[in-house]
Amino acid sequence: QQQVKQSPQSLIVQKGGISIINCAYENTAFDYFPWYQQFPGKGPALLIAIRPDVSEKKEGRFTISFNKSAKQFSLHIMDSQPGDSATYFCAASKWDFNKFYFGSGTKLNVKP
Amino acid sequence: EAQVTQNPRYLITVTGKKLTVTCSQNMNHEYMSWYRQDPGLGLRQIYYSMNVEVTDKGDVPEGYKVSRKEKRNFPLILESPSPNQTSLYFCASSFTAGVTGETQYFGPGTRLLVL
Repeated sequence: QQQVKQSPQSLIVQKGGISIINCAYENTAFDYFPWYQQFPGKGPALLIAIRPDVSEKKEGRFTISFNKSAKQFSLHIMDSQPGDSATYFCAASKWDFNKFYFGSGTKLNVKP
Repeated sequence: EAQVTQNPRYLITVTGKKLTVTCSQNMNHEYMSWYRQDPGLGLRQIYYSMNVEVTDKGDVPEGYKVSRKEKRNFPLILESPSPNQTSLYFCASSFTAGVTGETQYFGPGTRLLVL
């Protein structure tokens, strides 16, 4: 059973549009929620991360929105660019940051 | 250049033939971890290590072994590979386990096919 559920599986967005990827979790012990970006043939790379004590975190065009009561968090990519085309994974870990649980991934295609 | 390296990058083997995938990092990181990536399942953690001689199971440890005899190396061992271990494998490392916001650096991946 997947501990972190991610949707959609794939996403097509026009250049300049907003890309939104959603994740949900059940385990309230999760305390750290990172997002990873993966380009074809490469390993994942940390994009942005959030702790549950804040509801939003923004870094450039990337924003995480976190809803603790709903146990959901989402990644928003503003002004999406073709260079953002990649697979995105959400993840979660407990307070000890040792074990990580990943979502199933979202393949984003930004059309020029 | 700071990096995580994995070898081999591609491997085709047969059922039951023992193999080792090596992972090495040059960043003096304490924490290292192995993941497998499968379509529709994302990444699943196999084993992790918080420091030399300290390892623990992740979510899918069955059929795998690891060792951490040196800080920089964390090999993944498949003693008797089976076709369901066909996957893309990633090694990752970070400076310290248990530190908030600590970035995990991933290697380039090893694509394994077990016939």
